[in-house]
Amino acid sequence: QVQLVQSGAEVKKPGASVKVSCQASGYTFTSYDINWVRQATGQGLEWMGWMNPNSGNTGYAQKFQGRITITRNTSINTAYMELSSLRSEDTAVYYCARRVAAGGTPLGYWGQGTLVTVSS
Amino acid sequence: DIQMTQSPSTLSASVGDRVTITCRANQSISSWLAWYQQKPGKAPNLLIYKASTLESGVPSRFSGSGSGTEFTLTISSLQPDDFATYCCQQYNSYPWTFGQGTKVEIK
Repeated sequence: QVQLVQSGAEVKKPGASVKVSCQASGYTFTSYDINWVRQATGQGLEWMGWMNPNSGNTGYAQKFQGRITITRNTSINTAYMELSSLRSEDTAVYYCARRVAAGGTPLGYWGQGTLVTVSS
Repeated sequence: DIQMTQSPSTLSASVGDRVTITCRANQSISSWLAWYQQKPGKAPNLLIYKASTLESGVPSRFSGSGSGTEFTLTISSLQPDDFATYCCQQYNSYPWTFGQGTKVEIK
């Protein structure tokens, strides 16, 4: 079955960077885009960006341009999301997610979430 | 960016009630709309996509309708497991955007 397993919680200081991993199993990793979505406590979901694991092509929300980098290691079926210049407003749960199927479908498979806390 | 607006923000209902949640886009998204259910501490769970297609394994009491800019999620008979937060998402164009969520509470 499709599974996305994320790395554990992180505590970072303002100005630092964080790198969250998302290991996929149960399907061909290079066949489906990986998206990253975050959610601050008590707030709604916020889409951050996507990556095609086959080509490495990426797309980012304007809000995060210049601070976010999504990469992958196809040998271990893992995607990464790195966010730099962290501020307190970046404290949130970060999710990786995959479309239900190729093209024309939304996010049907989600990781368990990674809590990133930014605090001095 | 496409803005998604849900109403109401909170809804109080009883088991067995029919519940309707509305989601509006500030420009046409055709039928590229999804509905998710989320419970505290858990990742969102996809209920409906392409405005009205029920995701595999989702109970038939959930249904979706609409196209263009106005969409609805209906729960025909609310069950105890349905008390949760529901949000819509447009995937017509990047950046994908979500509604702010509707919390369905026990009356």
